[in-house]
Amino acid sequence: AQRVTQPEKLLSVFKGAPVELKCNYSYSGSPELFWYVQYSRQRLQLLLRHISRESIKGFTADLNKGETSFHLKKPFAQEEDSAMYYCALLTGGGNKLTFGTGTQLKVEL
Amino acid sequence: NAGVTQTPKFQVLKTGQSMTLQCAQDMNHNSMYWYRQDPGMGLRLIYYSASEGTTDKGEVPNGYNVSRLNKREFSLRLESAAPSQTSVYFCASSGGTSGGYNEQFFGPGTRLTVL
Repeated sequence: AQRVTQPEKLLSVFKGAPVELKCNYSYSGSPELFWYVQYSRQRLQLLLRHISRESIKGFTADLNKGETSFHLKKPFAQEEDSAMYYCALLTGGGNKLTFGTGTQLKVEL
Repeated sequence: NAGVTQTPKFQVLKTGQSMTLQCAQDMNHNSMYWYRQDPGMGLRLIYYSASEGTTDKGEVPNGYNVSRLNKREFSLRLESAAPSQTSVYFCASSGGTSGGYNEQFFGPGTRLTVL
């Protein structure tokens, strides 16, 4: 069965420190993974997808099939990065997503 | 464009009452989804509609029904609300066309409390 695991409920870092939000997945097929973000009082929105291999707001994520991981990284955290981050796995037809439990990132000054 | 809209924003129900959560999108998307968000559980798919006229169960469908009224609207009904259905409910839509993933766009959410 498909599963997305985000082991940290809360991650607190200081401004300027590196950030790594962990995501591991379990899926029998070829995985397509995404990071969604929910800023305070805003809607959940797509941050990035592994296929694009792009950097959004300084964040990158590399799919590691050997370790079944898709960790989200940023070299220098900013205060505006504080948000809830969800890792998601595309599963089945209809563009269905399986979400992880989310990690609340708090960037402290 | 308003994107994905949901009504109501907040609702308090008593156990056993029924209600319908409304969702509409103006992006001409084919697919629509209902999720619930609970602390420590993330977002879980309740029902989805891959295209107008079709609906399918997601991960946690028990206690809910849905209607894809037309391409724009996808409603979620609680026939007999239970305290376990206290949650934040999100509607989403995506292009859903063939060939590759289409980003899901989310509504603002409905915060439901069942007493």
